[in-house]
Amino acid sequence: KAGVTQTPRYLIKTRGQQVTLSCSPISGHRSVSWYQQTPGQGLQFLFEYFSETQRNKGNFPGRFSGRQFSNSRSEMNVSTLELGDSALYLCASSPRQGSSYEQYFGPGTRLTVT
Amino acid sequence: KQEVTQIPAALSVPEGENLVLNCSFTDSAIYNLQWFRQDPGKGLTSLLLIQSSQREQTSGRLNASLDKSSGRSTLYIAASQPGDSATYLCAPSNQAGTALIFGKGTTLSVSS
Repeated sequence: KAGVTQTPRYLIKTRGQQVTLSCSPISGHRSVSWYQQTPGQGLQFLFEYFSETQRNKGNFPGRFSGRQFSNSRSEMNVSTLELGDSALYLCASSPRQGSSYEQYFGPGTRLTVT
Repeated sequence: KQEVTQIPAALSVPEGENLVLNCSFTDSAIYNLQWFRQDPGKGLTSLLLIQSSQREQTSGRLNASLDKSSGRSTLYIAASQPGDSATYLCAPSNQAGTALIFGKGTTLSVSS
């Protein structure tokens, strides 16, 4: 079974631009969560989607948004990029919503904002 | 607000040693706790998932224990190997859903 895939793997953007990252979950998984990892703050939860609806949201500004499609693929968008948005963005999938399920992470998208 | 602490932050051991990584969390009302490893610049690999009703979980040379009442979990690695070198992260999940709260991790280096 293929794992979680994320595209692109690397991205360089300029401050003020916007960016869209994509995540394809493991086949059959319907829940997708997004995390941001930086050296200073570590791994922080952004949001979770299940059945095309945002179910849970972390403490991030409204510039960070996401969506989920009917095939469970998810995208996250960051508008008006800031230097501090440079990070590794990870998505994770699990079979269903709920804390009983193991989460499987993708390789991440490395975003650099200059 | 859940806070997760992992001690030590870094650990260097010779090959073959048994070792214990510690994780503590402030809010004991968790649903489960996962241990992950992360290689430099890579994503996370799930190692073990312990449900809140379980006391421990084993996979190969790894054994994780959970004591909810004291807010602690440990990851025991037996007969360490150079391939075990990585950062190990623990992450309890809150009751609202699948959001994981991560510690800063323990960076393990195993020398041959």
